[in-house]
Amino acid sequence: DIVMTQSPDSLAVSLGERASINCQSSQSVLYSSNNKNYLAWYQQKPGQPPKLLIYWASTRESGVPDRFSGSGSGTDFTLTISSLQAEDVAIYYCQQYYGTPTFGQGTKVEIK
Amino acid sequence: QVQLVQSGAEVKKPGASVKLSCKASGYSFSTYTIEWVRQAPGQRPEWMGWINPGNGNTRYSQKFHGRVTITKDTSANTAHLDLSNLKSEDTAIYYCARTFGERYFDSWGQGTLVTVSS
Repeated sequence: DIVMTQSPDSLAVSLGERASINCQSSQSVLYSSNNKNYLAWYQQKPGQPPKLLIYWASTRESGVPDRFSGSGSGTDFTLTISSLQAEDVAIYYCQQYYGTPTFGQGTKVEIK
Repeated sequence: QVQLVQSGAEVKKPGASVKLSCKASGYSFSTYTIEWVRQAPGQRPEWMGWINPGNGNTRYSQKFHGRVTITKDTSANTAHLDLSNLKSEDTAIYYCARTFGERYFDSWGQGTLVTVSS
């Protein structure tokens, strides 16, 4: 299985500041035939299921605020929250779907 | 709107089996694959398997060594997860989720807590 590793494990950011989360896969999740990265990002708040934010590495799910953006290709990806809001406090997971789905260990985002 | 509503919490002894359900509404049940993902306390989500309600095809994670069976009742728009020979490490929240074609999960059930304890 493809192993997903996120960094950092946690970060504290001031309200209105930028938060960036990194995700690295143990092998490329870029499918050459369609040039798509099989990488998604989720937000999970306490007591709730994960919520899809981003798929194809950079496509925002309908209804997700545009302060959330995804970038990267191949094995290295980033989720950026451009201006952190109080409601963004959560754990964020990356997930690859190139092979059997696997998730990163999560990054906890808090307010500084 | 799309909803996946799961059955209630379960407490089981080691060696027992558990059957969970996931009722779909707000979309065509046969069109989307139902997947099962579990999350142990403080851990990352872990994929278990899927079923295509349209044709009944299934696929399971090798990690569970045949302990997992996923079924569907199309007339009730419901998918089921059976997990046998339960161990303490199976204690987790079990989620059903929906996929269409590609394997990112766009809707999730609320989760079912399964506790395995003697």
